[in-house]
Amino acid sequence: QKEVEQNSGPLSVPEGAIASLNCTYSDRGSQSFFWYRQYSGKSPELIMFIYSNGDKEDGRFTAQLNKASQYVSLLIRDSQPSDSATYLCARGGGTASKLTFGTGTRLQVTL
Amino acid sequence: EAEVAQSPRYKITEKSQAVAFWCDPISGHATLYWYRQILGQGPELLVQFQDESVVDDSQLPKDRFSAERLKGVDSTLKIQPAELGDSAMYLCASSLGRSNEKLFFGSGTQLSVL
Repeated sequence: QKEVEQNSGPLSVPEGAIASLNCTYSDRGSQSFFWYRQYSGKSPELIMFIYSNGDKEDGRFTAQLNKASQYVSLLIRDSQPSDSATYLCARGGGTASKLTFGTGTRLQVTL
Repeated sequence: EAEVAQSPRYKITEKSQAVAFWCDPISGHATLYWYRQILGQGPELLVQFQDESVVDDSQLPKDRFSAERLKGVDSTLKIQPAELGDSAMYLCASSLGRSNEKLFFGSGTQLSVL
């Protein structure tokens, strides 16, 4: 079982819709979770982080964490073509101190 | 805005040659990371430094890879000899401290081994 699992996609949503990206993790001791956006050929850029159960909102982005279900998600409201990218989920803390990344979900926002 | 500097941006080499990548973290960031990202996969940690000390190099192929951060500031990652399977994006990242997991990445070095 991979430490962090994501559906590789592509996830296709129309412009203006809500994009929902999901991630599960295997280490119950994980304490911190991060979402990075990566445009093709570019490096990852941190867009959200969450440590506690529940929702955390920042502009059009909402991160959701459910530690009991070992599940973290990212919602992007009013999706724009510029949101088209690969979204990497990462977990930190727990039994392994290093930050561990999933393989990413490719999001396509269509006009 | 402060950035992590990396060079070169692209590197093409032949197998069995030596290659080196350089990274200068954001000023004041004590923790420096080298990640490798193969196309279609997530970044995988190669080595983590806290100041000048290695704190995790468990995934670094030590028979051919080496990394150093002599003065606790900039860092060099070397591969000798390069193999075809080393073709990937090599990413440097930094964070304020070991317990601070908000990583800021440099632009990366895209390595192609022919």
